[in-house]
This record gives sequence, C-alpha cells and structure tokens, in this order.
Amino acid sequence: DIVMTQSPDSLAVSLGERATINCKSSQSVLYSSNSKNYLAWYQQKPGQPPKLLIYWASTRESGVPDRFSGSGSGTDFTLTISSLQAEDVAVYYCQQYYSIPITFGQGTRLEIK
Amino acid sequence: EVQLLGSGGDLVQPGGSLRLSCAASGFTFSSYAMSWVRQAPGKGLEWVSSISAGGDSTHSADSVQGRFTISRDNSKNTLYLQMNSLRAEDTAVYYCAKPNYSNYKNAMDVWGQGTTVTVSS
Repeated sequence: DIVMTQSPDSLAVSLGERATINCKSSQSVLYSSNSKNYLAWYQQKPGQPPKLLIYWASTRESGVPDRFSGSGSGTDFTLTISSLQAEDVAVYYCQQYYSIPITFGQGTRLEIK
Repeated sequence: EVQLLGSGGDLVQPGGSLRLSCAASGFTFSSYAMSWVRQAPGKGLEWVSSISAGGDSTHSADSVQGRFTISRDNSKNTLYLQMNSLRAEDTAVYYCAKPNYSNYKNAMDVWGQGTTVTVSS
C-alpha cells in the first residue's frame, strides 16, 4: 500500500498570508507512460463532503480560486494557498489514485492566526 | 446538475447487515466507475471500495474485504454497498463519489452528502 504522509498536522496562518501543506508518498505516484502524477488535493469543511481542489498534482478543478495551487512530482507534493481567506479554514487531504488501495493523507487542519 | 444522493445509513447492532444506496443524476452513470469512501467520527478519509463502469470489476479495502460488497444497477443509476458482519469500527459517514474521468484511477470530483452508519449495541 502507498502511505501518504502530510505535514504539518495543523497550521495557523494570518489572513492574506501564504499557507503551505506538504504531502509525501511512500512510493512514486508518477506514471511514466503518461508523465502524470496520480495525486489529488481535497478541502473538507465541517459537516460537508470533501471538495476536489487539485488533480494530476497541479491541475486546478474548475471553479477553484487561483490562489490554490499544487506542485511536486514523484513522491513529494505541495498545496499552496497564496493569500489565505477566511473561507479557506478547513481540513485538507492529499490522495493518491495511482494504485489500489486508494489512500489519503491523515489531513492537515488549517486555521486563522 | 450532477448529483449523488446517498441513503440507507442507520443504527445497527454488531454482526448486523445494512445496504447503502447512492442515486446518481445529471451525468451518464453507466460511463463512470464509482467509489465509496468513509470517515469515522473525528477521523480522516478512508477509501472503502470501487467498481468499474460496467460493474464487472471491483476492488475493496482489506478492512472490509469479505464483509462488504459493492455493486451497481446502471438501469437505475444507482450504486450500492452491501455491508455484512458489521463491527463497531465500521461506524462512519459513508460517501459515494464519482471520478472526474471514467475509470477509478482518477480524482473524485463529485461526492454525495454522506450517510451515517452507527454500529452499536
């Protein structure tokens, strides 16, 4: 199984500042035949289902604000929120869909400082 | 509007059974693999099971293998999860989810609202 490890577990950032969440996979999720990283990022607010933010490690889902960006390749990935807004308070998860079982990181709780 | 509506969650005793349903609308259900993902109270997300678009291929987490069965009825645009031999650790909100492209090796772009399963005596 591919283990996904996020850091930090929680993060407090001031409004308007940058927030950075890291995700590391125990093995590469880069598929060599198509050069795609099978890595997604989700946002989950209390009482709501997860919302897809980023897929293929860096492709922003339609309707997601451009302050959200994803980067990385192979085993190391980053979700960046360039200028934190109040509505960004949530738990963020990375997920690999490279192989079964599909696995998620443990989540990173993002709060306002 | 693309929508997934989960149902069937309930309070059930350990060892009991339950069938969850997920009604899909707004997209060609038969063209997409589908998945179940669960979230125990206060915990993270755990993939449970996936099924191919045609229903001929399924995969399940080791934690539910042999107890849970995923299935679908494409004529009814409905996904199912038959849950047998339920344990306290199966207590969770269960989400159905659709991939953003046809097969399950894709990110999940549409999620149901969740249906709650509580296993307790």
